[in-house]
Amino acid sequence: NAGVTQTPKFQVLKTGQSMTLQCAQDMNHEYMSWYRQDPGMGLRLIHYSVGAGITDQGEVPNGYNVSRSTTEDFPLRLLSAAPSQTSVYFCASSFSGGAGGDTQYFGPGTRLTVL
Amino acid sequence: AQSVTQPDIHITVSEGASLELRCNYSYGATPYLFWYVQSPGQGLQLLLKYFSGDTLVQGIKGFEAEFKRSQSSFNLRKPSVHWSDAAEYFCAASGGGADGLTFGKGTHLIIQP
Repeated sequence: NAGVTQTPKFQVLKTGQSMTLQCAQDMNHEYMSWYRQDPGMGLRLIHYSVGAGITDQGEVPNGYNVSRSTTEDFPLRLLSAAPSQTSVYFCASSFSGGAGGDTQYFGPGTRLTVL
Repeated sequence: AQSVTQPDIHITVSEGASLELRCNYSYGATPYLFWYVQSPGQGLQLLLKYFSGDTLVQGIKGFEAEFKRSQSSFNLRKPSVHWSDAAEYFCAASGGGADGLTFGKGTHLIIQP
């Protein structure tokens, strides 16, 4: 199993540009989520999905869009990039999210810089 | 509000010495608790987790953690650190719902030769 994969690994954008961060998992997990990691802030939840067709907002959803058309994929869209979105983005998946303390598996991350 | 606190931003330990990383949580009920490690430029790897039962939890790489309900703590320990343990360590908690993990801000571990 490849686990959780993310592309690209690095990306530089100009303010106002849009892009999609890709996330895929091959573990048949129902739950997928996106976090951002900023220095001194730990990881903060952006959006999550409990299954195909179902998404919800996390702690810091503004400026981001998600959809879940398949179990395997959970892309994160930046509609109009801003310098405040410079961060490292992690995708995670698990069988049931937090239910029962289920373990979440993390991808390797995407380092995004917005100029 | 739910929160996880890691009081130490940086910790420096000599190779071969013992290690303890602190973690405190604030939740309405006892949450599920996790410790993750992040090596430079890498993703997060689960070290161990606590659900219920025995309050001393064993993990990978020789780490263990002790849950203390009275102190709302879940401290991570290792009896003898190796240079390869240098990394960022995150404590995290989950209330059992679908809203993911709440992370502490992390502790950066430096190993002195």
